Amino acid sequence: EVQLVQSGAEVKKPGESLKISCKGSGYSFTSYWIGWVRQMPGKGLEWMGIIYPGDSDTRYSPSFQGQVTISADKSISTAYLQWSSLKASDTAMYYCARLTDYGRTGYSGSYYYWGQGTLVTVSS
Amino acid sequence: SYELTQPPSVSVSPGQTARITCSGDALPKQYAYWYQQKPGQAPVLVIYKDSERPSGIPERFSGSSSGTTVTLTISGVQAEDEADYYCQSADSSGHGVFGGGTKLTVL
Repeated sequence: EVQLVQSGAEVKKPGESLKISCKGSGYSFTSYWIGWVRQMPGKGLEWMGIIYPGDSDTRYSPSFQGQVTISADKSISTAYLQWSSLKASDTAMYYCARLTDYGRTGYSGSYYYWGQGTLVTVSS
Repeated sequence: SYELTQPPSVSVSPGQTARITCSGDALPKQYAYWYQQKPGQAPVLVIYKDSERPSGIPERFSGSSSGTTVTLTISGVQAEDEADYYCQSADSSGHGVFGGGTKLTVL
């Protein structure tokens, strides 16, 4: 059974750093792109970026380039989303999701498997 | 930046047909996907590659494409279909893009 299990909720202060995780199981972790999606309170879904764990090829939405870092450790089947200096506007639910289709060639497809979400709250 | 446009809300009575549209200039060249999201839950893929239905998704969910608009159709709407629906596609660089979402209300 394919599963994406995300790390727990976080409460941070502005300016602090944070790294949240997404552990994949039940499939070949290195062979599927994993994306990150933001959902601010009461708002819609926003595509942040995506990584291919097999070689750590990473692509970012222009809206999030330079604001976050996406990485992966294939030895432990885990993808990460990190911030170096959080802002209050980073308060949101963050989902990881696995691209439906196998392989490295395209990263613009659908997401069949989703993590349960990690709620990040940034408040002074 | 590339945008996908959805109506903010659609309302239908039980048993009727709901149609949710999504418009974007690149849709003739890129597939569209649809997700259902209920409160407090992660999104669920209900349509992929414009009109394909994943296993386990009821047959009342269907998708179609015409030019720069794709449409999610829910036939015989049930109370359990009340949710937010998002279309997703890609821009010219292959980066993912979501529509703003449509709240489906079952009256």
